Amino acid sequence: AQSVSQHNHHVILSEAASLELGCNYSYGGTVNLFWYVQYPGQHLQLLLKYFSGDPLVKGIKGFEAEFIKSKFSFNLRKPSVQWSDTAEYFCATGGYNKLIFGAGTRLAVHP
Amino acid sequence: DAGVIQSPRHEVTEMGQEVTLRCKLISGHNSLFWYRQTMMRGLELLIYFNNNVPIDDSGMPEDRFSAKMPNASFSTLKIQPSEPRDSAVYFCASSQGDTQYFGPGTRLTVL
Repeated sequence: AQSVSQHNHHVILSEAASLELGCNYSYGGTVNLFWYVQYPGQHLQLLLKYFSGDPLVKGIKGFEAEFIKSKFSFNLRKPSVQWSDTAEYFCATGGYNKLIFGAGTRLAVHP
Repeated sequence: DAGVIQSPRHEVTEMGQEVTLRCKLISGHNSLFWYRQTMMRGLELLIYFNNNVPIDDSGMPEDRFSAKMPNASFSTLKIQPSEPRDSAVYFCASSQGDTQYFGPGTRLTVL
């Protein structure tokens, strides 16, 4: 069965620091990968997704993720975080329709 | 586009009462997902429908939970009778293809 592992459960950064959140997936055939963000008290919003093609994917709000097939990884990055990036971040994988989510990483950015 | 609409946004009820959560899909989407989010278990898929047909209900906790999709744009999730351990945020998501779009959620508190 497909699964997603997010290594960091809590990350604390200062503003302007660089961010990298780890995500590893188990291979289950078609590789569709997603990063969602959930701001405090809000619903999940899609940050970016990878289906095929260029392994470096750019999303909204300055986020990007790199698909590395040999490492089964899809890490999320941002060169300089802001206080407003404080949120929980979920990596997900899945085939048609059904998504498997990781446990999430809570990011706190201090001014 | 109004996005996925859920109602109510907050529900407080007493143990034993029936609870009905509602979801309206994004126009044109043909898949509907119900998730539950708690601190302990994270984001769990309860059930999903494709073209009004339930495809996978293996995540439904027990017989107290039931979901219906009476038409292509609307779904309900019912809990009868409700229990305090059902307290959670319930999200609905819809998709047309591989990307799911989430609603704002219903925060359920069962006293």
